[in-house]
Amino acid sequence: KAGVTQTPRYLIKTRGQQVTLSCSPISGHRSVSWYQQTPGQGLQFLFEYFSETQRNKGNFPGRFSGRQFSNSRSEMNVSTLELGDSALYLCASSYGASNTEAFFGQGTRLTVV
Amino acid sequence: AQSVSQHNHHVILSEAASLELGCNYSYGGTVNLFWYVQYPGQHLQLLLKYFSGDPLVKGIKGFEAEFIKSKFSFNLRKPSVQWSDTAEYFCAVNEPGSSYKLIFGSGTRLLVRP
Repeated sequence: KAGVTQTPRYLIKTRGQQVTLSCSPISGHRSVSWYQQTPGQGLQFLFEYFSETQRNKGNFPGRFSGRQFSNSRSEMNVSTLELGDSALYLCASSYGASNTEAFFGQGTRLTVV
Repeated sequence: AQSVSQHNHHVILSEAASLELGCNYSYGGTVNLFWYVQYPGQHLQLLLKYFSGDPLVKGIKGFEAEFIKSKFSFNLRKPSVQWSDTAEYFCAVNEPGSSYKLIFGSGTRLLVRP
């Protein structure tokens, strides 16, 4: 079956702009979580959605937001981009219970200039 | 708050050498543990996982890990590495609760020399 699909793969944005990233989970998975990966901070949890509800949020400013649709697809949005937002943004899907595994997409590489 | 420590940031080995990567976590309750691998230019892939039962778990590509509850550790091992094992390895813990949230260690970059 198809894996986790993230679009776009690469983005270049200017400071102050906003960006929307998309994630399509594996069919049947209802949990989608987002992570930011940077060389300095590693992999950090952004938020998790399950059945269109945000169940958990990491320690990121309010400029980072997300949502999940009824088909489990998810989007994350970053407003008023800063240079420090340049990162690889990873989406993971799972069945949602803690004792299940998460499958990751290829990520979206965001560069803010 | 839960944290995960990977003490080896860079490891260089020759082919056929044995590998052990350390992972320690801070939470004292029930945890679910994972090792993920990220090959150059590829997405994170699950190597192995521990939920319960036998503390020695076997994963893909000859990797195994041992969960030692008393030491809060989940070290990754492979008896004989190959050049193709060159990658970054991440230990992760699933924080117990009503949501799915992985907490990752800082990662270990492994370089295997042919």
